[in-house]
Amino acid sequence: AQSVTQPDIHITVSEGASLELRCNYSYGATPYLFWYVQSPGQGLQLLLKYFSGDTLVQGIKGFEAEFKRSQSSFNLRKPSVHWSDAAEYFCAVGAAETLSFGAGTTVTVRA
Amino acid sequence: EAQVTQNPRYLITVTGKKLTVTCSQNMNHEYMSWYRQDPGLGLRQIYYSMNVEVTDKGDVPEGYKVSRKEKRNFPLILESPSPNQTSLYFCASSLSSQGSSPLHFGNGTRLTVT
Repeated sequence: AQSVTQPDIHITVSEGASLELRCNYSYGATPYLFWYVQSPGQGLQLLLKYFSGDTLVQGIKGFEAEFKRSQSSFNLRKPSVHWSDAAEYFCAVGAAETLSFGAGTTVTVRA
Repeated sequence: EAQVTQNPRYLITVTGKKLTVTCSQNMNHEYMSWYRQDPGLGLRQIYYSMNVEVTDKGDVPEGYKVSRKEKRNFPLILESPSPNQTSLYFCASSLSSQGSSPLHFGNGTRLTVT
């Protein structure tokens, strides 16, 4: 079975600074990988996904993520954070029928 | 507008009183799923359905039931709720069940069982 680890429970970043959220996964084959964002009181919204091909994927809201097979990682990055990026971020790995989520990373943006 | 609709958004009930949380999607998706979200645990899958009349257990199915009589609807049933089922619940759907299809989520149902 697949599993996902997000090592950082909470990150605080200044507005305009760069952001990187870590995600490590465990899966026997090449997985389908996703990042979702959850704003307060909302459901989850897909930021980006990786299935195959180019290991650097671009998503919405200026986010990107890089798949590194050797490190079993799929870290999310944004060069310059906006106050509206304050949210909880979830990494997920998909297998044939199920999707497993990490515990999430809460991002706080300070002015 | 393409969406997943859950009702109710908030629900407070007492131990043992049967309840149903409804979920409906208008995207003709084959795959639907229920998750519960608890602090520090992320989202854990309760049940999923790959198509009409096909349902299967996820990681935490105990105390829950589901049905998929129509493609668009996937209700979550708690026959005898207990306080440990107090949680935030999300319904989600996707085009297919192949793991590659992104999920579309409802806005959640916050359930409190006293």
